[in-house]
Amino acid sequence: EPEVTQTPSHQVTQMGQEVILRCVPISNHLYFYWYRQILGQKVEFLVSFYNNEISEKSEIFDDQFSVERPDGSNFTLKIRSTKLEDSAMYFCASSWAGGPPDTQYFGPGTRLTVL
Amino acid sequence: GENVEQHPSTLSVQEGDSAVIKCTYSDSASNYFPWYKQELGKGPQLIIDIRSNVGEKKDQRIAVTLNKTAKHFSLHITETQPEDSAVYFCAAIGGGYKLSFGAGTTVTVRA
Repeated sequence: EPEVTQTPSHQVTQMGQEVILRCVPISNHLYFYWYRQILGQKVEFLVSFYNNEISEKSEIFDDQFSVERPDGSNFTLKIRSTKLEDSAMYFCASSWAGGPPDTQYFGPGTRLTVL
Repeated sequence: GENVEQHPSTLSVQEGDSAVIKCTYSDSASNYFPWYKQELGKGPQLIIDIRSNVGEKKDQRIAVTLNKTAKHFSLHITETQPEDSAVYFCAAIGGGYKLSFGAGTTVTVRA
């Protein structure tokens, strides 16, 4: 069964450093998403991406964040200058292979720790 | 924006008993309600979903009900088994495709 994959599983970085989180969505999906979950809090939407552009973003997704689909298979989230409060589990999701675009399938997550 | 509340936060049941998790939502325009199961070290796995034109949906031991008037929906797991132990999340979508999640319910099935 096709699944969303994410790398790395755990990323440790120093405050102020740039990080790139990588995702490989399900191959024939067209919508891509990033969510995050700070420890003990709800899973929060960050951004959705369709047709090579951002279709929706939350207030969390400020100028420090960017997304890119650099090739036909990868989808990345970049945080330019990490803050302590960026420490969280980051989930990638994808949807729509002819089915309803709101049915989203999640990857295993990347745990980001900012020191 | 959409606000989803989920109860209870923890649920312990005897193997073979039923488990019920309830969620409420705030945006009357929401029309899609998925449930996710998350096991330790894994991402949320979609287990069942329901749309606003349907009141109930079943898939083997799992069922979901939706009451649009009261703006609440519930997950029912019957004949619980140890492998049902996990964290369960409800979610809702109003406009666009942004999922708003509940806080999660940790279900423990006692053997």
